[in-house]
Amino acid sequence: AQTVTQSQPEMSVQEAETVTLSCTYDTSENNYYLFWYKQPPSRQMILVIRQEAYKQQNATENRFSVNFQKAAKSFSLKISDSQLGDTAMYFCAFMKLAPGTSYGKLTFGQGTILTVHP
Amino acid sequence: ETGVTQSPTHLIKTRGQQVTLRCSSQSGHNTVSWYQQALGQGPQFIFQYYREEENGRGNFPPRFSGLQFPNYSSELNVNALELDDSALYLCASSLGVAGLNKTQYFGPGTRLLVL
Repeated sequence: AQTVTQSQPEMSVQEAETVTLSCTYDTSENNYYLFWYKQPPSRQMILVIRQEAYKQQNATENRFSVNFQKAAKSFSLKISDSQLGDTAMYFCAFMKLAPGTSYGKLTFGQGTILTVHP
Repeated sequence: ETGVTQSPTHLIKTRGQQVTLRCSSQSGHNTVSWYQQALGQGPQFIFQYYREEENGRGNFPPRFSGLQFPNYSSELNVNALELDDSALYLCASSLGVAGLNKTQYFGPGTRLLVL
């Protein structure tokens, strides 16, 4: 079974600074997908960024970028120019397609609470 | 906002009762997944529906069941409620799991409290 580990329960950063959230995962699969989701205090889970394992280039979405290290099974999220609205719980998630089926479930880490201070 | 809606937003039940939670998927999405999120934890996969059939299931007992309708909306039913069923229930929709876009878009959730 796949596992996802986020070793930082809580992080804080000053507004406009950069912060990196860590995520490691365990899988024997070669083809899979990785995601970072953000869950603000209002609780709706929002996709931040996704990465396909077969792509070597790290994904980037505006101020959000990832450092994907496939051999090390590491998938960290970097938030540049942090804003107050970035305050949220951040979840790292893994998905693979089950062999012989067409379904894929998300396996989530425990989450990291990020607080951006003014 | 993702376009995925869930109802009700909050619900209080007593142990042993049954509950039905509802989800409307984002326009054009034909796959719905349900997750249970205990307080302070990451979501846990319950099951997924694709074209009105259960397409995969997590480690949840049979008293957790679901339906998907022709318009791709979905219901989660939980029978014989237990105190540990208290959680946030999240619905996520996606466009065909086998398709190129495997991203799941989440609704705001239903907070269930079992007393």
